[in-house]
Amino acid sequence: EVELVESGGGLVQPGGSLRLSCTASGFTFSDYWMHWVRQAPGKGLVWVSRLNKDGSSTSYADSVKGRFTISRDQAKNTLYLQMNSLRAEDTAVYYCVRDRQLGAPFDAFDIWGQGTMVTVSS
Amino acid sequence: DIVMTQSPDSLAVSLGERATINCKSSQSVLYSSNNKNYLAWYQQKPGQPPKLLIYWASTRESGVPDRFSGSGSGTDFTLTISSLQAEDVAVYYCQQYYSTPYSFGQGTRLEIK
Repeated sequence: EVELVESGGGLVQPGGSLRLSCTASGFTFSDYWMHWVRQAPGKGLVWVSRLNKDGSSTSYADSVKGRFTISRDQAKNTLYLQMNSLRAEDTAVYYCVRDRQLGAPFDAFDIWGQGTMVTVSS
Repeated sequence: DIVMTQSPDSLAVSLGERATINCKSSQSVLYSSNNKNYLAWYQQKPGQPPKLLIYWASTRESGVPDRFSGSGSGTDFTLTISSLQAEDVAVYYCQQYYSTPYSFGQGTRLEIK
């Protein structure tokens, strides 16, 4: 079964850091571009970041650029999101997401994890 | 950046009736070299992650009931549910994947009348 499982969320103070992980199974992780998408409580979906299949090319939303870093460990089938200088407005469920087609950028998101909640509050 | 705007924000439809949700992009998401619209539709039920319904504006994802259909091109798109079922109660989002930053519409909440 194709699956993405996020972990690492929790409560952090403003200005703090957190690293999210997403473990992939059921497919060849290294063949796919991957993303993080977030959703603040009661709000809509917001794309956060994208990483190409070999980890050499990244993209970020302006709201997180310079604070968040996306990366992957192919040997561990794991996607990461390092979040620094966290703000209250970063409070959200963070979803790990897969591109629908292997190898190709600019595609719809066909596999979503269940999400991990990040709360930034003092 | 491309802004996606959905209408209406909420919609109540009787069981068995047609539901129509609109999505407009601030610029065309039609890529001329392959004639594909980089537009997807997702369904999100409470407490669940979104689920892909439609991609390339009109291609139904595997396993999605055929009562769901997508149409449109360029900047104007529509998601149609031909005969509303109780399990279709959800929030629906359109998304452009034509360029980064990818963007979603604000969502349309679909309820039973």
